[in-house]
Amino acid sequence: EAGVAQSPRYKIIEKRQSVAFWCNPISGHATLYWYQQILGQGPKLLIQFQNNGVVDDSQLPKDRFSAERLKGVDSTLKIQPAKLEDSAVYLCASSIGPGDTQYFGPGTRLTVL
Amino acid sequence: GESVGLHLPTLSVQEGDNSIINCAYSNSASDYFIWYKQESGKGPQFIIDIRSNMDKRQGQRVTVLLNKTVKHLSLQIAATQPGDSAVYFCAENMDRAAGNKLTFGGGTRVLVKP
Repeated sequence: EAGVAQSPRYKIIEKRQSVAFWCNPISGHATLYWYQQILGQGPKLLIQFQNNGVVDDSQLPKDRFSAERLKGVDSTLKIQPAKLEDSAVYLCASSIGPGDTQYFGPGTRLTVL
Repeated sequence: GESVGLHLPTLSVQEGDNSIINCAYSNSASDYFIWYKQESGKGPQFIIDIRSNMDKRQGQRVTVLLNKTVKHLSLQIAATQPGDSAVYFCAENMDRAAGNKLTFGGGTRVLVKP
């Protein structure tokens, strides 16, 4: 069974630029999550989707971050404009449902210069 | 706010010995706990989980212990192997009924010495 796919794996941008990350969850997984993992820390939930609806975006900095999952499968996370403190690994995870085990993708390492 | 934390940031273990990774949590309402392993350049990988109505759960070479009295969680790895070298995170589910929101601790790095 294929795991969670993410792209790109690495991205380097300058501050104030925009960037987008893509995630393809495990087939059949209705719940999708985006996490931010700053170096040396555990992942922090940014947003959770159930199918194409947002369940929790309480920790998403909505002035610069946005995410969508229009067809309930793939998802994109965008940062516009990026700040230095956004440098982190952005992890996507999926689960069959809200109470099930979360499986993580390899992440996208973002460096903001 | 309440959060999950770890006592030791780095643990060096001789190959073949047992490893014990500790984690403290502060939210007494948490009812579900998970251990993840994260290797360099990879996403966290599920190892084992435990519900709050259990004290112990065993998997293949791993055992998770939960002490709700002192709000302590531990992961034991038997006969540690070089492939066990990674960062280990505990995570708690603070509101599983509302949708499986996980809060992760800071992680412990395990280094296996040959």
